[in-house]
Amino acid sequence: GAVVSQHPSRVICKSGTSVKIECRSLDFQATTMFWYRQFPKQSLMLMATSNEGSKATYEQGVEKDKFLINHASLTLSTLTVTSAHPEDSSFYICSATTGAVNTEAFFGQGTRLTVV
Amino acid sequence: AQSVSQHNHHVILSEAASLELGCNYSYGGTVNLFWYVQYPGQHLQLLLKYFSGDPLVKGIKGFEAEFIKSKFSFNLRKPSVQWSDTAEYFCAVNVGYSSASKIIFGSGTRLSIRP
Repeated sequence: GAVVSQHPSRVICKSGTSVKIECRSLDFQATTMFWYRQFPKQSLMLMATSNEGSKATYEQGVEKDKFLINHASLTLSTLTVTSAHPEDSSFYICSATTGAVNTEAFFGQGTRLTVV
Repeated sequence: AQSVSQHNHHVILSEAASLELGCNYSYGGTVNLFWYVQYPGQHLQLLLKYFSGDPLVKGIKGFEAEFIKSKFSFNLRKPSVQWSDTAEYFCAVNVGYSSASKIIFGSGTRLSIRP
């Protein structure tokens, strides 16, 4: 299957700082990327959908000013957690797709964010 | 709103037992259906998928799932589980034809296999 790479896999940051997470599709062009958040022992909650070259669509309850998403190219999307607080600590997962009919999205390995 | 329900939160089985994990979704239109597995400390892996055609789909590691449109269900099955199947299993629905349509996940089922 296609490869989606997330970086970093783990990050610890101080409260009040910002942290950027990258999601790259290594061997295909991703017209659409999704960002999820997974709390311990819980499911993946979709945060936003981003299409290359346009603004991301955020799910209800997700603060767009706090979770900045940029999808500037067909192989890269970034999620920036601004002014992070301990409650933002979580596992963030991206997935990417070509957007074609009857194909699946491919998932990155996730990023464990810890805000201290 | 669309939703995916997995009614079994934690299933405990002995090795060689048969497995069936339930998944129901609520959406009246075209859907693509998936089961993903997440082994401890690892990322999501696709077990199997249904787009169209034969409603009985076979995936990796001996898993299969049956799409029953009238019941809005896509249950996962395996005839004989192994200790290595211990993991979290997620049912997911892609609403619409395009893979660019958002994917909604169920709450997950934790499967524990006793050796």
